[in-house]
Amino acid sequence: NAGVTQTPKFQVLKTGQSMTLQCAQDMNHEYMSWYRQDPGMGLRLIHYSVGAGITDQGEVPNGYNVSRSTTEDFPLRLLSAAPSQTSVYFCASNRYGQGAYEQYFGPGTRLTVT
Amino acid sequence: DAKTTQPNSMESNEEEPVHLPCNHSTISGTDYIHWYRQLPSQGPEYVIHGLTSNVNNRMASLAIAEDRKSSTLILHRATLRDAAVYYCILLSGNTPLVFGKGTRLSVIA
Repeated sequence: NAGVTQTPKFQVLKTGQSMTLQCAQDMNHEYMSWYRQDPGMGLRLIHYSVGAGITDQGEVPNGYNVSRSTTEDFPLRLLSAAPSQTSVYFCASNRYGQGAYEQYFGPGTRLTVT
Repeated sequence: DAKTTQPNSMESNEEEPVHLPCNHSTISGTDYIHWYRQLPSQGPEYVIHGLTSNVNNRMASLAIAEDRKSSTLILHRATLRDAAVYYCILLSGNTPLVFGKGTRLSVIA
């Protein structure tokens, strides 16, 4: 049971490049989320999904796209990278639980946009 | 969303108990009280959650006030590994976790 895995661990992009951050979980969780954490700050929700085929926006969705074609995977796509997207990105998953669930986080992807 | 208020930082001596407070005066009847922590350079980690009654697990205890307007996370014996940012979050239904600034706990050897 690997839990929540994220790839890559580190990435450097040039302004304007696009890329996809990968996230996978093997716990059969319905819920998956993406957060970003800027240096010295708290986590902010980007997008989340309550099940395959269903996604919704969080606090800071601009510049990011998501899709959820399977229960296991929830990739985050940066459309045209900007320096303001330099951050650590965390993926998380949890079972549907009416407020009583535990959320599991991946180890994060550190992204630098130059 | 109901909000929580936590001190920005706290300090504890190693092997002493730590009481981390959280105020949530606008909590609703369906809100669960969750605690997560984030160790340096890691993703957040679930600690404990509760609704009305006090809760214990292998990591910590959660004491919830009778009126539910405040709660306290109790680490029974702080270790250096417990130095982290601790987040108190209210959660109901299947809304996503929304993180505030949390309390930065320093543990002194």
